[in-house]
Amino acid sequence: ETVMTQSPDSLAVSLGERATINCKSSQSVLHSSNNKNYLGWYQQKPGQPPKLLIYWASTRESGVPDRFSGSGSGTDFTLTISSLQAEDVAVYYCQQYYRTPITFGGGTKVEIK
Amino acid sequence: EVQLVESGGGLVQPGRSLRLSCAASGLTSDDHAMHWVRQAPGKGLEWVSGINWNGDSIGYADSVKGRFTISRDNAQNSLYLQMNSVRAEDTALYYCAKGNGDNPNYYYYAMDVWGQGTTVTVSS
Repeated sequence: ETVMTQSPDSLAVSLGERATINCKSSQSVLHSSNNKNYLGWYQQKPGQPPKLLIYWASTRESGVPDRFSGSGSGTDFTLTISSLQAEDVAVYYCQQYYRTPITFGGGTKVEIK
Repeated sequence: EVQLVESGGGLVQPGRSLRLSCAASGLTSDDHAMHWVRQAPGKGLEWVSGINWNGDSIGYADSVKGRFTISRDNAQNSLYLQMNSVRAEDTALYYCAKGNGDNPNYYYYAMDVWGQGTTVTVSS
């Protein structure tokens, strides 16, 4: 099983400041045949289902604000919120979908400082 | 707009069975992967199972392998999860989710549409 480890567990950032969430996979999720990283990022607000933000590690889902960006390759990935807004308070999860079982990180809770 | 609506959750005794359903609407085709993902109270997300467009490719989490069965009926735009021999640790909110990939033969994709979930509680 590919273990996804997120850090930190929680993060408090001032409005307008940058938030950075890290995700490390125990095995590479880079597929050599298409050079794609099978890595997604999700946002979950209380009482709501998860929402896809980023897929293929860096492709922003349609309608997602451009303050959200994903980077990284292989085993190390980052989700960056360039200028935190009040509506970004949520738990964020990374996910690998390269191999079965598909696995999620433990989540990072983002709050306003 | 694609919408997914789960149903079939409820209170079930340990060792019994339950069948979850997910009805899809707004889909223009059936050539997409589908998944079940669960979330125990106050916990993170756990992938349960995934299926490609015609059921030829299926995967399960180790925690449910041999007990749960995923299936789909494209004519009915429906996804199912047959849960047998349920345990207390299966207690969770179960989400249905659609894969966003362009190859219908695989389910290895991110999940771009989610339902609101159906709650399963396993208790005597």
